[in-house]
Amino acid sequence: GENVEQHPSTLSVQEGDSAVIKCTYSDSASNYFPWYKQELGKRPQLIIDIRSNVGEKKDQRIAVTLNKTAKHFSLHITETQPEDSAVYFCAARGHTGGFKTIFGAGTRLFVKA
Amino acid sequence: DGGITQSPKYLFRKEGQNVTLSCEQNLNHDAMYWYRQDPGQGLRLIYYSQIVNDFQKGDIAEGYSVSREKKESFPLTVTSAQKNPTAFYLCASSIDVGGNQPQHFGDGTRLSIL
Repeated sequence: GENVEQHPSTLSVQEGDSAVIKCTYSDSASNYFPWYKQELGKRPQLIIDIRSNVGEKKDQRIAVTLNKTAKHFSLHITETQPEDSAVYFCAARGHTGGFKTIFGAGTRLFVKA
Repeated sequence: DGGITQSPKYLFRKEGQNVTLSCEQNLNHDAMYWYRQDPGQGLRLIYYSQIVNDFQKGDIAEGYSVSREKKESFPLTVTSAQKNPTAFYLCASSIDVGGNQPQHFGDGTRLSIL
């Protein structure tokens, strides 16, 4: 079936450094790629998303890039802060199998003060 | 997203018992979803509904059942056939299934076995 692979599973950075999380997807018909942040015991919350007709999108310290040819997309967080510590999930939604959204396994980000 | 309410926050199930998790949304969304989240893992789709009186199985539907009698409500029943029900259950909604719009999540229900 369709799947999304996410790396790394754990990422530890020093405050102020950048963090990069990478995802690859298998369904070439995928056309929408959201990223969610989930703090411990809380609901996932959308932080940024990108559609397949766009290669890059930025929102303050967060940016996402998409390479449709290679079928991978990445989340970039600059100037990391302790409050960025959370689990981040990438996801891909396509047209195969009823427009299901497939989630990556998550990346646990630790930002050390 | 205060527009999606899940209850209860914690739920305990006895062996052989069916339990129902509630999910209500006031966002006027057509599509609703149920996910299961196990520790250290991503979200796996149990069931989803595109419209009232319609729902489709996700990737791990066995041992679960749903109904969609009202647009605002999408309850999930964890039946006794689900042998490993301990998990964090998340309900979500979106404007529709096919459009490129994000899903909005509830606060989740943590289910454990007594």
